[in-house]
Amino acid sequence: NAGVMQNPRHLVRRRGQEARLRCSPMKGHSHVYWYRQLPEEGLKFMVYLQKENIIDESGMPKERFSAEFPKEGPSILRIQQVVRGDSAAYFCASSPQRDFRQYFGPGTRLTVL
Amino acid sequence: KNEVEQSPQNLTAQEGEFITINCSYSVGISALHWLQQHPGGGIVSLFMLSSGKKKHGRLIATINIQEKHSSLHITASHPRDSAVYICAVSDGGNEKLTFGTGTRLTIIP
Repeated sequence: NAGVMQNPRHLVRRRGQEARLRCSPMKGHSHVYWYRQLPEEGLKFMVYLQKENIIDESGMPKERFSAEFPKEGPSILRIQQVVRGDSAAYFCASSPQRDFRQYFGPGTRLTVL
Repeated sequence: KNEVEQSPQNLTAQEGEFITINCSYSVGISALHWLQQHPGGGIVSLFMLSSGKKKHGRLIATINIQEKHSSLHITASHPRDSAVYICAVSDGGNEKLTFGTGTRLTIIP
């Protein structure tokens, strides 16, 4: 059973471009969480999704950020018009049910030039 | 004040020493998680506990719900234990995690 997969592992964008980060949860997991780790800071919750539904997006910046978890395919975190402050490591985690241990992906390191 | 506080922030010890990392929280929780973040950045879930004590190999995690405090212990520490250890709590709603700032552990051979 493959673990949580994220791609790309490293992503470089120029200011104003779009960034798309993908997360494939473990097989059988229908709950996906996205977290962000800014340089020299702790992890922060961004959004919680189940298949086709956003359950909690209280940690998402109000503008430029969106997330989806379609019926088929990976979960996508999309950042439009990236700025230097978006440079961070973005981790997704998945779990098979709500009150269960979360399994983390390797992260995507976004660098905005 | 952060909802999850860890101490110490940094810890350096000799190989073989007994290690204790502490975590205090100020909110109601459904569970407390201990995570390990390797130097390469990957995150591994070590424990999820809501009461009592759990043990896995040389790692032991305890939680005191009344005192809102948890400890992570490492027995017979080894240089490969060098990592950042992160305490996180889930709130019983959507189970999103709120994280402490982490404890950077360095074990010297």
